[in-house]
This record gives sequence, C-alpha cells and structure tokens, in this order.
Amino acid sequence: DAGVTQTPRHEVAEKGQTIILKCEPVSGHNDLFWYRQTKIQGLELLSYFRSKSLMEDGGAFKDRFKAEMLNSSFSTLKIQPTEPKDSAVYLCASSPWDRKYEQYFGPGTRLTVL
Amino acid sequence: GDKVKQSPSALSLQEGTNSALRCNFSIAATTVQWFLQNPRGSLINLFYLVPGTKENGRLKSAFDSKESYSTLHIRDAQLEDSGTYFCAAEGPNTNKVVFGTGTRLQVLP
Repeated sequence: DAGVTQTPRHEVAEKGQTIILKCEPVSGHNDLFWYRQTKIQGLELLSYFRSKSLMEDGGAFKDRFKAEMLNSSFSTLKIQPTEPKDSAVYLCASSPWDRKYEQYFGPGTRLTVL
Repeated sequence: GDKVKQSPSALSLQEGTNSALRCNFSIAATTVQWFLQNPRGSLINLFYLVPGTKENGRLKSAFDSKESYSTLHIRDAQLEDSGTYFCAAEGPNTNKVVFGTGTRLQVLP
C-alpha cells in the first residue's frame, strides 16, 4: 500500500499569494491530520478530520488557513494570503478509524514565503 | 512549548547504552504520544499512552497523569535510534495536542 503522499514537496511563494498544499492519506484511513513544523514554534496541530468532518481547526490558525477534505482520499490546506512567518514544513498524517493515534506521516511540504 | 517541557534538550549516547527521556506537563494531560523524527526528517509514531506503561522492543514508555509526566526509556541504543524525540499531550474533552520542543538524540558508535 502507498503511504501518505504530499505534493508539492517544495513550494516557494511571494508574500500575499495563495498556495494550496495537497495530501492523499493511506487508502482506507478515516482520520487525517495537518501539522506545521518550524524551528521556533516546533510542531503544531493545524487541523484534524474524522471521516471528512473537521474535528479540530487549530484555533490560532483559523484566519488565513483553511483545510478541507473533499473526499476520503484527498485533503488540501490553503494558506491565503501567505506571510513570511508561514515558512515551515507542513506535514500530513493519517490513521485508521479505530486507531486514531497510529498515525502515518507523509514526507511533508517545505514552504518558503519570501 | 511551555505547556509540555521535554528534557534533556539534547543527548549523546554510546551505542549499547541506556537512557531515559522525560516530558513534564503543565496541562491536565489525559493521553500522551511519543514520536521520533529521524535525521531525514520523517516522523514515526512510537507510542500512544493513557496512564500506564507500554513496551515495544528496546523502547518502553510510561505516563503518570497524576504526577503529570511521561518517560521514554531506550535500552541498548542503536545508531538508528538517532533523531529528535517529541512527546505530545492531549487534554480532556479536546482533540488538540500540544507538542514538546523535542530531545535531540545522537547515538555514537
């Protein structure tokens, strides 16, 4: 089985642009997570979906970040408009419905905002 | 970061030795997870714990919710154990997890 796929692997954006990051979870997994990792803030949960329903929206990230799960095999994270402080690695993970904490992580998307 | 404090921040071990990493919580943690981020950047899920202990091979973890801490013990450290270990805590009635700042472990030959 394929693991979690994330595209693109690298993204460079100008300040103020809209960018969309994509994630395909492991086939059959019901739970999907988006995380952000920076040197300063470390790892932070951005959003959590269960069976396509948003269960956690990450509080502080609401204003410019929007995660969607359009179907059970695809999710997007939109950042609009981007700011330099959004430069980070964005990680997607998925897990089976009955083992929420058994998360499989994707390779991440490294975003640089100039 | 301050709600979940990890110690030590960095550690070097000789291959074959043992060590313990620790997380202290200032939130009412109900569950704890431990992750390893290897030198290539890949994140691996190690443990999920409610209060109690779990063991998997050379790794053993414990979570004491009353004393608000968790530990990760590494026995017979191997080179492939090198990386950054993160703990993450989840509070009651929430899906939000709070991560610690990590312990960077280097296992030396």
